[in-house]
Amino acid sequence: GEQVEQLPSILRVQEGSSASINCSYEDSASNYFPWYKQEPGENPKLIIDIRSNMERKQIQELIVLLDKKAKRFSLHITDTQPGDSAMYFCAASNTGYQNFYFGKGTSLTVIP
Amino acid sequence: NAGVIQTPRHKVTGKGQEATLWCEPISGHSAVFWYRQTIVQGLEFLTYFRNQAPIDDSGMPKERFSAQMPNQSHSTLKIQSTQPQDSAVYLCASSLDRGQNTLYFGAGTRLSVL
Repeated sequence: GEQVEQLPSILRVQEGSSASINCSYEDSASNYFPWYKQEPGENPKLIIDIRSNMERKQIQELIVLLDKKAKRFSLHITDTQPGDSAMYFCAASNTGYQNFYFGKGTSLTVIP
Repeated sequence: NAGVIQTPRHKVTGKGQEATLWCEPISGHSAVFWYRQTIVQGLEFLTYFRNQAPIDDSGMPKERFSAQMPNQSHSTLKIQSTQPQDSAVYLCASSLDRGQNTLYFGAGTRLSVL
């Protein structure tokens, strides 16, 4: 199956600064890249996604970038707040096959 | 909409015992996924059903793990002869599977094998 690498595994940033998480994938057939946020004791929830026909997508303070040639995608959180502290998972999927392969996660801590 | 329902929330078994985990997907969702979550491995894919049919079980440890979806309203993950390394949170997720790809996760079952 698809292999998704996610870095860094741990990220600590000051409140108000930006946080960036990077993922790479192997299967060129992957065409859908969601990001999930998991708060302590909760289940993962979709926060933003990007499809292969786009290079950039923004929802409020969340920006995702996709470089299909390099098989890399990234999540950028601008103006981080303590409420952004959580585990973040990237995933790659093929909408035809529709399986989802996740990275190992990034633990983000926003320091007040 | 109650979301994806997983039972039990916590299960403790002795080494060598059997554990059965239950998942009720969101009504109308035709794709059901099972993942295992650990700190070291993150979210590991186990298996996936579409319209109750097994599509991909490439993540399942073959000897002791099995999954079924006897009807559209529930799926089970069975672990025979549980081992301490099976201790993890097992997450079930469902999606509409009609060009709508959002995965909705359940709260998970925390399995502890003593």
